[in-house]
Amino acid sequence: RKEVEQDPGPFNVPEGATVAFNCTYSNSASQSFFWYRQDCRKEPKLLMSVYSSGNEDGRFTAQLNRASQYISLLIRDSKLSDSATYLCAVNDYKLSFGAGTTVTVRA
Amino acid sequence: EAGVAQSPRYKIIEKRQSVAFWCNPISGHATLYWYQQILGQGPKLLIQFQNNGVVDDSQLPKDRFSAERLKGVDSTLKIQPAKLEDSAVYLCASSPQGGATATEAFFGQGTRLTVV
Repeated sequence: RKEVEQDPGPFNVPEGATVAFNCTYSNSASQSFFWYRQDCRKEPKLLMSVYSSGNEDGRFTAQLNRASQYISLLIRDSKLSDSATYLCAVNDYKLSFGAGTTVTVRA
Repeated sequence: EAGVAQSPRYKIIEKRQSVAFWCNPISGHATLYWYQQILGQGPKLLIQFQNNGVVDDSQLPKDRFSAERLKGVDSTLKIQPAKLEDSAVYLCASSPQGGATATEAFFGQGTRLTVV
């Protein structure tokens, strides 16, 4: 089993739609979790850290479910500029990434 | 604040040649990571340093790859000899704190390696 697995997508959604996807992790001892955004041919950039209580940043909401060992990202009111690959990262003592979820927002 | 610096940005080499990449992390960041990202895949951790000690190198192909972080600051990653399948983007990242409660990592722009 891979350490970090993501819904691969692609998710193709219209502007204004809500899209959500998950990331599962194998090590129950993992302590910190992150969502990154990666544009084509660019480096990953931090979107948000994921806290135990869940957190929200504008149109983006991240949740952590420790019992089922997954994190989720929800994007509300999608914009064209949200089109990207979203990477989840999970840290136990090393920082591991999933393969990414591709989101395309169409006009 | 200056970001993570990497060089070169691009490199084309023939198979069986050697290549080295350099990374300068954000000042004061104790943890440094090297990732390999093949097109269409997520970043794969090659090696993680905490100061100048190795935290994890379980996915580093040690027969051809080596990395060091002298004085706990800059780092170099070397491939010798290169294979066609090493064609990828090599990403360096750093974070202020590592371990189980590591804070977020910040990435450099990467080195795009093509092996022909």
